[in-house]
Amino acid sequence: SQQGEEDPQALSIQEGENATMNCSYKTSINNLQWYRQNSGRGLVHLILIRSNEREKHSGRLRVTLDTSKKSSSLLITASRAADTASYFCATMASGTYKYIFGTGTRLKVLA
Amino acid sequence: DAGVIQSPRHEVTEMGQEVTLRCKPISGHNSLFWYRQTMMRGLELLIYFNNNVPIDDSGMPEDRFSAKMPNASFSTLKIQPSEPRDSAVYFCASRVEGGKETQYFGPGTRLLVL
Repeated sequence: SQQGEEDPQALSIQEGENATMNCSYKTSINNLQWYRQNSGRGLVHLILIRSNEREKHSGRLRVTLDTSKKSSSLLITASRAADTASYFCATMASGTYKYIFGTGTRLKVLA
Repeated sequence: DAGVIQSPRHEVTEMGQEVTLRCKPISGHNSLFWYRQTMMRGLELLIYFNNNVPIDDSGMPEDRFSAKMPNASFSTLKIQPSEPRDSAVYFCASRVEGGKETQYFGPGTRLLVL
């Protein structure tokens, strides 16, 4: 099964609201990344958080990591219609070079 | 920088035909990854190259799939013979090994095997 599982699978919110997506994983990790994928496009890197970090910010994005619970969350504040996309977490397990991608959360922001 | 370049962007072929997908990684990146994305299985890693050498091809589904990286600026993924279940979007990604871990993805090749 996949290393990362996102929750919820789909999320629909109004413009201006905050969107929170969660990712759970199974093994010890070196780092965790979040990617965005617009329909029909490739994945775009958003933010990386290392295993010794607990929180990171980048613009309207806030990522938290709880290694004891093996989970991460991505918060998008003041969402915009342009944030409509699928969001994936990717984990690099300790001692490996590979990223394992989760199943993704489909976010729809309504104008 | 032009980013990761993939070609073709779309490919429609008939079952049994050979398909070749191409990738040009970002200049200076020494690691290259091929992924396959489907609705059912999500994003799967097929093969990983480091310094043009295949390091891990455990994700390659069958012998019908093969990948090469003859030099640092070019890689191919070949399917021969193709089958309808190979229909998917195939992504190439590159990164600097030993540097930042960020992978940069190409736009993908959407493959449809009839």
